[in-house]
Amino acid sequence: SAVISQKPSRDICQRGTSLTIQCQVDSQVTMMFWYRQQPGQSLTLIATANQGSEATYESGFVIDKFPISRPNLTFSTLTVSNMSPEDSSIYLCSVSDRLSGNTIYFGEGSWLTVV
Amino acid sequence: AQSVAQPEDQVNVAEGNPLTVKCTYSVSGNPYLFWYVQYPNRGLQFLLKYITGDNLVKGSYGFEAEFNKSQTSFHLKKPSALVSDSALYFCAVRDRDTGRRALTFGSGTRLQVQP
Repeated sequence: SAVISQKPSRDICQRGTSLTIQCQVDSQVTMMFWYRQQPGQSLTLIATANQGSEATYESGFVIDKFPISRPNLTFSTLTVSNMSPEDSSIYLCSVSDRLSGNTIYFGEGSWLTVV
Repeated sequence: AQSVAQPEDQVNVAEGNPLTVKCTYSVSGNPYLFWYVQYPNRGLQFLLKYITGDNLVKGSYGFEAEFNKSQTSFHLKKPSALVSDSALYFCAVRDRDTGRRALTFGSGTRLQVQP
């Protein structure tokens, strides 16, 4: 399976600031997704990161708040903009690679606390 | 639309006893079904999946799951629980008859294995 690295692994952020999370994969992958897991909750899909074009956002998530880039088949970033305490969550990058087909693998997550 | 239900917030089992974590799903077409495990302060680890073929699928760490189309269920099982199996378990689904590649997750079930 693909090895997925996320940075930062943890951070404490000030209200009103923005933070960019990086996701690096050790092989080319067809699909990259960003999920959010709020404390004690399940995973909610934020968006599908599309290589070379704008991300596809789920209902309730907008580009101004969660801009996403995917410049190539191994890298993506998610920015959490103008953070509030409600944005305190784990943000998870996930990928589906060519070999595994339908299996989606996850990074270790970026644990953000907004104060 | 696709959805997953995990009716139990928590399952308690004694070490050495069999365990079952329940999952039911809803998709308009045919499902791809997955189980993931999340240990404290970690990301999600893939356990097993059902794509097609045998209804009983075997995965990592001795876990297995049985796909039951008539009951729209995909319960996770293990013949003999270990204390180290204590973690949060997520069932996920996607409809293989649509172009949507992202997974929809259940609410999660916390498994507690007592020594």
